[in-house]
Amino acid sequence: LAKTTQPISMDSYEGQEVNITCSHNNIATNDYITWYQQFPSQGPRFIIQGYKTKVTNEVASLFIPADRKSSTLSLPRVSLSDTAVYYCLVGDMGGNTPLVFGKGTRLSVIA
Amino acid sequence: DVKVTQSSRYLVKRTGEKVFLECVQDMDHENMFWYRQDPGLGLRLIYFSYDVKMKEKGDIPEGYSVSREKKERFSLILESASTNQTSMYLCASSSPHDTTGGGTEAFFGQGTRLTVV
Repeated sequence: LAKTTQPISMDSYEGQEVNITCSHNNIATNDYITWYQQFPSQGPRFIIQGYKTKVTNEVASLFIPADRKSSTLSLPRVSLSDTAVYYCLVGDMGGNTPLVFGKGTRLSVIA
Repeated sequence: DVKVTQSSRYLVKRTGEKVFLECVQDMDHENMFWYRQDPGLGLRLIYFSYDVKMKEKGDIPEGYSVSREKKERFSLILESASTNQTSMYLCASSSPHDTTGGGTEAFFGQGTRLTVV
């Protein structure tokens, strides 16, 4: 399984765009990149997933360069409610593949 | 609304007790997972199962066992609870099938905060 590296923590002011980068140098051909969000005392929830280039949904954008060795989660105009831990996962997500989480990035949004 | 339900939100057990944590999902998912989460350590995988009666060890299986007799239910068992097993336990499920044109999504329960005294 590809190992991921992401910053331990980040701070941002309300209304700013936040970019969290994840490194995954050993990503395999069949691997997808998935991001989860976790609020205190809750289970993680899926945010976005991609394979290459750019993916956008109502919550975030995911940028993946051509070599796929890193990815960037972009949160537009964050609010206080975006304060959470964000996890980057890499894996083929299908078949008998375990979901392995790292320590995540703790984002603190300040008013 | 899809759901992963863990039997207890909070649980207090004594050292040496046998503890059962139950997880039920209503999405007909093949894959189910048990994690524990401790401050500063993120989510660590204990066991996972990709089919009924199948189980695979995760990163920290010591002191735990699991049971998957039915597709919708995945139980985590602490044979003899110890204080170092005080933690938040999270269950998740996913399908191995491509449902989004890409990979798949995992759904988590609300967690069980277990305290062993």
